[in-house]
Amino acid sequence: KAGVTQTPRYLIKTRGQQVTLSCSPISGHRSVSWYQQTPGQGLQFLFEYFSETQRNKGNFPGRFSGRQFSNSRSEMNVSTLELGDSALYLCASSLAIAGGRDTQYFGPGTRLTVL
Amino acid sequence: KQEVTQIPAALSVPEGENLVLNCSFTDSAIYNLQWFRQDPGKGLTSLLLIQSSQREQTSGRLNASLDKSSGRSTLYIAASQPGDSATYLCAVNPGGTSYGKLTFGQGTILTVHP
Repeated sequence: KAGVTQTPRYLIKTRGQQVTLSCSPISGHRSVSWYQQTPGQGLQFLFEYFSETQRNKGNFPGRFSGRQFSNSRSEMNVSTLELGDSALYLCASSLAIAGGRDTQYFGPGTRLTVL
Repeated sequence: KQEVTQIPAALSVPEGENLVLNCSFTDSAIYNLQWFRQDPGKGLTSLLLIQSSQREQTSGRLNASLDKSSGRSTLYIAASQPGDSATYLCAVNPGGTSYGKLTFGQGTILTVHP
C-alpha cells in the first residue's frame, strides 16, 4: 500500500506570491492533517480535514487555508507569502477510527523557501 | 492548552548502550500518544502508538510506556545502533472534537557513535 505522498517536494517562491501544496493520503484514510515545521517553533498544527470538512484549525493567520476533496486528497494554500513562511510542511493521514488505535502516518513533506 | 516537553534535548551514546527518552505532557485527557523518528530533512516515521488505556507497547528493540496520571511517557531503546541516530518526537492526540490535532514535543536528537 502506498504511503502518504506530497507534491511538490521543494518550492522556491518570493515574498507576496501564493503557493498550493498537495497531499494524497493512504488509500482508505479519511482524515488529513497539516503541520508546519521550523527550527525555532518545531511542529505546529495547521488544520485537520475529515470527509471534506475542516474540523480543527491551529493558530495561523487567514493566509493559510486548505481543503479536502471527495477522494480525501487535500491541498493547502498560503497567500501573500512572507519570509517566515519558509518551512517544511508535512501532512498526515489516518483512518480516524474509534478506540485510540489510530496511527497518524506522515508524508515526506514539502520544503518551502520564501526569498 | 496541552504542552509537551521532551528531555533530554540531545543525547550522544556509544553503540550498544540501552537508553531512555522522556516525554511529559500537561493535560492527561489524551486519546493516544505516538512516538516518531525523523531523519534530517525527511518526514516522520511512526514508531509506536500507545492508546490512553494502555501502559506500554513494544516493537523490536523499542518499548514505550505511558503513565497518564503523571503525564509521562518513556521510549526505551535497547542495544542502540548507529542507524538509530535521528530526532525522536513524541506527540499527543487529544481525540474528541480535537482529534488529529497533535501536540508535539521539541524532540530529542540522538547520536549513536560506533
